[in-house]
Amino acid sequence: QLQLQESGPGLVKPSETLSLTCTVSGDSISSSNYYWGWIRQPPGKGLEWIGTIYYSSGTTYYSPSLKSRVTISIDTSKNQLSLKLPSVTATDTAVYYCARHPYGSGMEIDFWGQGTLVSVSS
Amino acid sequence: SYVLTQPPSLSVAPGKTAKITCGGNNIGSKRVHWFQQKPGQAPVLVIYYDNVRPSGIPERFSGSNSGNTATLTVSSVEVGDEADYYCQVWDNDSAHVVFGGGTKLTVL
Repeated sequence: QLQLQESGPGLVKPSETLSLTCTVSGDSISSSNYYWGWIRQPPGKGLEWIGTIYYSSGTTYYSPSLKSRVTISIDTSKNQLSLKLPSVTATDTAVYYCARHPYGSGMEIDFWGQGTLVSVSS
Repeated sequence: SYVLTQPPSLSVAPGKTAKITCGGNNIGSKRVHWFQQKPGQAPVLVIYYDNVRPSGIPERFSGSNSGNTATLTVSSVEVGDEADYYCQVWDNDSAHVVFGGGTKLTVL
């Protein structure tokens, strides 16, 4: 059974780097059948796509509003997806979800992690 | 960049039909997906590729997409359907995932 488990600090200071990992169990993150991505949701607000990666081609896609700051990568040895977001501010406070997209033209998200709340505060 | 527009809220009585719209320029040419999100939970896919229900989603959920509007229809609405609903597309031109702003469905 597929499980996506986000982990990382729940509190990050302004100007520091937000680093999260998503451990995938029940599937191989290097599978050509899926893309893997990050989505966030500020408290009380809507969903915001951060970015998506396809391991088989090494292609990453990033939100235009975060592209200059964000890095998404895969560690196949640990079957993990990672997110790095430097120079955070209070506006980066959100629940961060990792997610799976089946390979295809639709890029729907068929599975989500439970999410992890990251607060940016001194 | 591509924009999806949803009404912020919709209220419907139990047993009635809720139609949640998602507007976008020529959205009918794209594949639209819909998510249900209840408080404190991760979103759940309820419709993908405009009108396909994932396994386990009740037949009361259906979708359509044409022109500049996609619609999620929830028939015979139940109290348990009260949630936020989001539409999503893949904008092939920009290679971006795009979400609508979400619609809060209230069942009263």
